[in-house]
Amino acid sequence: EAQLVESGGGLVQPGGSLRLSCAASGFTVRSSYMAWVRQAPGKGLDWVSVIYTDGSTYYGHSVRGRFIISRDTSTNTVYLQMDSLRLEDTAVYYCARADNNLRGYDSWGQGTLVTVSS
Amino acid sequence: DIVVTQSPLSLPVTPGEPASMSCRSSQSLLHSDGKNYLDWYMQKPGQSPQLLIYFGSNRASGVPDRFSGGGSGTDFTLKISRVEAEDVGVYYCMQTLRTPLTFGGGTKVEIK
Repeated sequence: EAQLVESGGGLVQPGGSLRLSCAASGFTVRSSYMAWVRQAPGKGLDWVSVIYTDGSTYYGHSVRGRFIISRDTSTNTVYLQMDSLRLEDTAVYYCARADNNLRGYDSWGQGTLVTVSS
Repeated sequence: DIVVTQSPLSLPVTPGEPASMSCRSSQSLLHSDGKNYLDWYMQKPGQSPQLLIYFGSNRASGVPDRFSGGGSGTDFTLKISRVEAEDVGVYYCMQTLRTPLTFGGGTKVEIK
C-alpha cells in the first residue's frame, strides 16, 4: 500500500526558506508522478508543483522561481525547497502521487503546515 | 492556463437521494489518446483529499459504485446515485492535461 509522510513545515518569517520532505513507501517515486498541492486556511486546493517520471519539473505561476521540487530515488523521498517565502504561501502542503499512467493522484499525505508570519 | 469552474458552490442533499455537480474547463481536456484528463477528488472535513474518478469516468480503487463520472471535452459531471451521510465534504475537479494543473473551486456537499 502506498504511503506518503510529509515533514518540514513550521513558522518562518517573510523572505525565509523551508524545505519540505515527502517520504514515500509502497512504491517508487522514480516511476510515479509526484506533486505538491497546498491549501490555505479555509480555501480550496492549489496545485504547486510536479515532478514527472522522466525527471522534468513544472511549477505554478505563483511559486515559479522561488520553489524547487526534487527527488532522491535512493531514499524514495520528494522535496520542496521553498525560498523567498511570502505571507500568501501560508497553507497546508500535501504531497500526492499518481502512477506512471497518470490515473489520478491516488495517494496523499496527511499534510504539513507552513506558516509565514512576522 | 486552463480555467476549471465548478457549480454549484454549495449542494444541500437529502440522504438516499441523488446528487449531481458540474465541472467545466476553458479548453477541451480530451487528448489525442482518447482520454479526458479530468479527475474528481473528495475532501472530508479535517482530512486529506482522496481520489474518486480519473480520466473523467473511471472509478478509483475502493470507491463505492454510487459515485460516477461522465462528460467529455469541456463539460463533466460527478453523480452520487444515493447520498450517504459519509459523503459530506468538498468535491474538487482537477485537469491534468496541461501544466499548470488546475483545480476547480470546489462544491460543498452538505446534508439538509
